[in-house]
Amino acid sequence: RKEVEQDPGPFNVPEGATVAFNCTYSNSASQSFFWYRQDCRKEPKLLMSVYSSGNEDGRFTAQLNRASQYISLLIRDSKLSDSATYLCVVNQGGYNKLIFGAGTRLAVHP
Amino acid sequence: DAGVIQSPRHEVTEMGQEVTLRCKPISGHDYLFWYRQTMMRGLELLIYFNNNVPIDDSGMPEDRFSAKMPNASFSTLKIQPSEPRDSAVYFCASSFLQGHEQFFGPGTRLTVL
Repeated sequence: RKEVEQDPGPFNVPEGATVAFNCTYSNSASQSFFWYRQDCRKEPKLLMSVYSSGNEDGRFTAQLNRASQYISLLIRDSKLSDSATYLCVVNQGGYNKLIFGAGTRLAVHP
Repeated sequence: DAGVIQSPRHEVTEMGQEVTLRCKPISGHDYLFWYRQTMMRGLELLIYFNNNVPIDDSGMPEDRFSAKMPNASFSTLKIQPSEPRDSAVYFCASSFLQGHEQFFGPGTRLTVL
């Protein structure tokens, strides 16, 4: 079983749609959770950290379910500029050792 | 402000040659990370340093790979000898504090023929 699993997509959605990505992780000792965004042929960039209580940043909402070892990202009112690959990231064996999921591709079309 | 700087941005070499990738972290960041990204394996952590000291190199694939950080503003990842299966994008990242956001450089796209 992979340490961090994501649906690879692609998710093809129209502008204005709401889309949700899911991620599961295998190490119950993980303490830090993040969503990174990676544009085509670019470097990954932090989108948001994920907190136990859930957190929201504008159109983006992240949720964590420790019991199920499950992380989600909800994007509301999708924009063309949201088209990218979204990487679920979990720490393992120390706060600095990050394990990246394979990513979920999102394509937003007019 | 300058972000993480990597050089070269592209490298094409022949099997058996030595390859050296370079990274300058963001000033003031105490942690430096080397990652490799391929379609098959995704993004993998190779090694990371704290205050110029290697902390975890368990991701380094084999003895052909080595990394150094002689000072706080410079790190190298060396592959000797290179093989076609080393073809990938190599990212360097840095962070200020333990567990904080990692800022990635633009990557070096390596092709080994």
